[in-house]
Amino acid sequence: DIQMTQSPSSLSASVGDRVTITCRASQSISSYLNWYQQKPGKAPKLLIYAASSLQSGVPSRFSGSGSGTDFTLTISSLQPEDFATYYCQQSYSTPIFTFGPGTKVDIK
Amino acid sequence: EVQLVQSGAEVKKPGESLKISCKGSGYSFTSYWIGWVRQMPGKGLEWMGIIYPGDSDTRYSPSFQGQVTISADKSISTAYLQWSSLKASDTAMYYCVRRLIVVVPAADAFDIWGQGTMVTVSS
Repeated sequence: DIQMTQSPSSLSASVGDRVTITCRASQSISSYLNWYQQKPGKAPKLLIYAASSLQSGVPSRFSGSGSGTDFTLTISSLQPEDFATYYCQQSYSTPIFTFGPGTKVDIK
Repeated sequence: EVQLVQSGAEVKKPGESLKISCKGSGYSFTSYWIGWVRQMPGKGLEWMGIIYPGDSDTRYSPSFQGQVTISADKSISTAYLQWSSLKASDTAMYYCVRRLIVVVPAADAFDIWGQGTMVTVSS
């Protein structure tokens, strides 16, 4: 089974900061990596698919990169509405989908 | 508008059965896989299984195989998640999701999420 890890598990940042979250797969998943954002009490939302493709309607301050086993989600300038938990997900071994444990971004 | 609308919150006792629903609208329901994702209180996301309403092809996560049943009724654009005997450990929020498969770039993701159904199992 493919295992997903994320780092850090949480971080504190200020509005305007550049934030980077890392996701690592236990084996190569090519670019089959997605990122989701979940705000408290809400359903998750797809931000990025195929490691670097921005989902329609998602602000351009979000970007993704990586391939193989190492991936990053970057928020170029953190906005108040970006405080949330972020999950990566592999879709290489479908129909088995595996989520990472999540990274909580809160206000410093 | 493309959306998935789930049934309301449930409170059940251990040993009881339950079936929750997810109704798709605004798109061709039979052309997209529908999946289910569990989120236990304060925890992360766990993929449970997926069904193709067009032919009812169903796949389960090994962690949930035999524990739940996923089904769909394409005549009413609705997918279901059911339990025959609930346990306290089934207490969680359950989300249905639409699977998006993209050819270029090659991708496979959950692009539409239902609002969630909270299931509470307590004696």
